[in-house]
Amino acid sequence: GAGVSQSPRYKVAKRGQDVALRCDPISGHVSLFWYQQALGQGPEFLTYFQNEAQLDKSGLPSDRFFAERPEGSVSTLKIQRTQQEDSAVYLCASRTGLSPPDTQYFGPGTRLTVL
Amino acid sequence: AQSVTQPDIHITVSEGASLELRCNYSYGATPYLFWYVQSPGQGLQLLLKYFSGDTLVQGIKGFEAEFKRSQSSFNLRKPSVHWSDAAEYFCAVLRSSGGGADGLTFGKGTHLIIQP
Repeated sequence: GAGVSQSPRYKVAKRGQDVALRCDPISGHVSLFWYQQALGQGPEFLTYFQNEAQLDKSGLPSDRFFAERPEGSVSTLKIQRTQQEDSAVYLCASRTGLSPPDTQYFGPGTRLTVL
Repeated sequence: AQSVTQPDIHITVSEGASLELRCNYSYGATPYLFWYVQSPGQGLQLLLKYFSGDTLVQGIKGFEAEFKRSQSSFNLRKPSVHWSDAAEYFCAVLRSSGGGADGLTFGKGTHLIIQP
């Protein structure tokens, strides 16, 4: 079956522009996660959803970052007024939502470059 | 708060030699631990995971890892590396195993270079 997909794969934005990054999780996966991976670093947790509910957004670096998953499937990460420090790869992951937590499956990421 | 330390930023190993990548974690309860591999332009792929039970876990591609609570370690091993193993390796811990916070805390990664 299809894995986690993300679009666009690459995004170049001018400083101050707004961007929207899309994640299509594996069908039927309840839990969805967003991570930010700066160059040469490990991924860092941003936020996660269980169905449409955003249960934890403690990792979002500022109020310019906003995530939604209105129908409990596709999710969008929006960054307003982008800054150069927002340049990173944004990874999405999903899992079934069973307990204990099982494997998170990652998408290929969206590489955001802010000029 | 939980954290993961991967002390080696780069490791160079000859093809056919054995490999050990180090991972230390800081976590108050029983951790759920993972090793992921990331090849250039590829997403993160799970190699193996530890939740409970046998402390030696087997994964894909011939990798294994051993959980040592006394040393707070979860080192990844492979008896004989192949050139295709060259990649970035990440150790991760589940942010909470008690039903609270979810998601993973990752280490900074170890870049594995394979010499012919």
